[in-house]
Amino acid sequence: GAVVSQHPSWVICKSGTSVKIECRSLDFQATTMFWYRQFPKQSLMLMATSNEGSKATYEQGVEKDKFLINHASLTLSTLTVTSAHPEDSSFYICSATTGTNTGELFFGEGSRLTVL
Amino acid sequence: QKEVEQDPGPLSVPEGAIVSLNCTYSNSAFQYFMWYRQYSRKGPELLMYTYSSGNKEDGRFTAQVDKSSKYISLFIRDSQPSDSATYLCAMYYQGGKLIFGQGTELSVKP
Repeated sequence: GAVVSQHPSWVICKSGTSVKIECRSLDFQATTMFWYRQFPKQSLMLMATSNEGSKATYEQGVEKDKFLINHASLTLSTLTVTSAHPEDSSFYICSATTGTNTGELFFGEGSRLTVL
Repeated sequence: QKEVEQDPGPLSVPEGAIVSLNCTYSNSAFQYFMWYRQYSRKGPELLMYTYSSGNKEDGRFTAQVDKSSKYISLFIRDSQPSDSATYLCAMYYQGGKLIFGQGTELSVKP
């Protein structure tokens, strides 16, 4: 199946700093990428939908200025957590689709962010 | 009421048991149903993908959809310790968003 690579898998940062997480589709072109957040023993919460070359669409309650999403190419989307705080600590997961079928999402391995 | 309800478990079974995982949903517009498996600290991986009511089988896994009852199930036969993971149901309708259940944590004991 299609492979989605996410990097870094684990990051620890100080409060107030910014962290960038990359999501790459390795063997296919992803017209749409999604960013999720997952708390322990909770389901995936969709944060935003990212289409190549256009602005991301954020879900209600997700701060656009805190979670900057860029989808510069068909194989790369980035999530930048700006001025991170301890409450931003979470597991962030990206997924990608070719666009032919919304449900056939391919997920990255996830990135665990810990803000001290 | 959540659109998709899933018992979080945890569910513990002995090796070789038949496992039944379930989700109920409220939105009758949902057309496509998926089951994902997620190992600890990893991203979800797609297990089963079904459209419309009925059964779909893939090896030891069987996905069942009952649209009239708004109920979907995943059965695992001859469960193995390697099946220990969190199982998430997910569903969507054309043009809509993918909605996940909370996930059921499964532990298969040797």
